[in-house]
Amino acid sequence: GAGVSQSPRYKVTKRGQDVALRCDPISGHVSLYWYRQALGQGPEFLTYFNYEAQQDKSGLPNDRFSAERPEGSISTLTIQRTEQRDSAMYRCASSTPLSSTDTQYFGPGTRLTVL
Amino acid sequence: AQSVTQPDIHITVSEGASLELRCNYSYGATPYLFWYVQSPGQGLQLLLKYFSGDTLVQGIKGFEAEFKRSQSSFNLRKPSVHWSDAAEYFCAVGPATGGGNKLTFGTGTQLKVEL
Repeated sequence: GAGVSQSPRYKVTKRGQDVALRCDPISGHVSLYWYRQALGQGPEFLTYFNYEAQQDKSGLPNDRFSAERPEGSISTLTIQRTEQRDSAMYRCASSTPLSSTDTQYFGPGTRLTVL
Repeated sequence: AQSVTQPDIHITVSEGASLELRCNYSYGATPYLFWYVQSPGQGLQLLLKYFSGDTLVQGIKGFEAEFKRSQSSFNLRKPSVHWSDAAEYFCAVGPATGGGNKLTFGTGTQLKVEL
């Protein structure tokens, strides 16, 4: 596609429910990143993939958070048993190829609200 | 650990005036530095980046930034601000070596432009 897309754009859920956030990277992009941005803060790294392999998940706050990218393209970030503190903007970015100098292109984000 | 400080949370300038947004970083080695802009409802857009070479880098929309190693700074400048520049600006640092490009962002500076 023309850019990184994320769905849904807005998600409102009740505490205790599971949510799945989807990221569709730019076609052919090898690396995919997930960030979380709380209100009034900058994005904070969660995890990233090269192809289908999860390279670094050090930013995932706890074991309720998980991510996958089974075919090396679309990725899903899943939050189990959501809590109010999970409310934030979740951003996805992709880049190519594997060089650390490559620009990350960000999607519009998913605004998650946990009631 | 790497960190980024943007000391100004809000800045207001008049249209046509010059602009400088401050960014200080802490990093143990040579960093890669970025400035992103976030407009309401939009994803983060890269303005410019510094990897090596000339310490004055030019970006899109007439922005430039200067890397000053001695001051650990990477300030963003524009000689004449346009009303459409009103947005939130984020400085970010990434690792110069190793796989992946896990970015660490500052908390952002909200720019308001008075007509």
